[in-house]
Amino acid sequence: SYELTQPPSVSVSPGQTARITCSGDALPKKYAYWYVQKSGRAPVLVIYDDNIRPSGIPERFSGSTSGPVATLTISGAQVEDEGDYFCYSTDSSGDHRVFGGGTKLTVL
Amino acid sequence: EVQLVESGGGLVQPGRSLRLSCAASGFIFDDYAMHWVRQGPGKGLEWVSGISWNSATTDYADSVRGRFTISRDNDKNSLYLQMNNVRVEDTALYYCGKDILKLGVVPAAVKDWGQGILVTVSS
Repeated sequence: SYELTQPPSVSVSPGQTARITCSGDALPKKYAYWYVQKSGRAPVLVIYDDNIRPSGIPERFSGSTSGPVATLTISGAQVEDEGDYFCYSTDSSGDHRVFGGGTKLTVL
Repeated sequence: EVQLVESGGGLVQPGRSLRLSCAASGFIFDDYAMHWVRQGPGKGLEWVSGISWNSATTDYADSVRGRFTISRDNDKNSLYLQMNNVRVEDTALYYCGKDILKLGVVPAAVKDWGQGILVTVSS
């Protein structure tokens, strides 16, 4: 089955740039999506189609893809950005939709 | 404002059945594919199933294929998940989700989420 691999945790100081990666063989051909989940709440979409921000998501959030690695970048991370970040995509056939294992972002 | 409200969860014994419902409002329901995503206790997100706007396309995670059935009633603005032969490992918070694409041919990704409904499978 298809897998997306994320680091379990990333830690930065406030104002620094946080980068969270997501690796998957089909990412050169399939879009990556990014969600944040803050404790006890439903996930929120922060990036879709690799690099597009939904309305209402701060400009400090951006996405990119290079080969099999998608990256979520938070430029000037703030304490309120703490949470669990999940990438999502499909395998090359589109048959298997999967989330990455999640990355806990700590900003302190 | 998009609102998705799940219902039908609870405690169920292994091997039994349960039907989840999701009531949608705040958007044209039959314009969008819909999804079910679950999250086990202390675990990450797992995509479970999706259905196109017109029910022509349904898809399932390998872990539930053959046991779960997704359906929708566009007249009632409602999404369903029939869960048969449930297992202990199906214990999770189940989220209903609205797709990101309007009139997409296949379910793509979740844009808007409900608050989730807890399903506990235990004897």
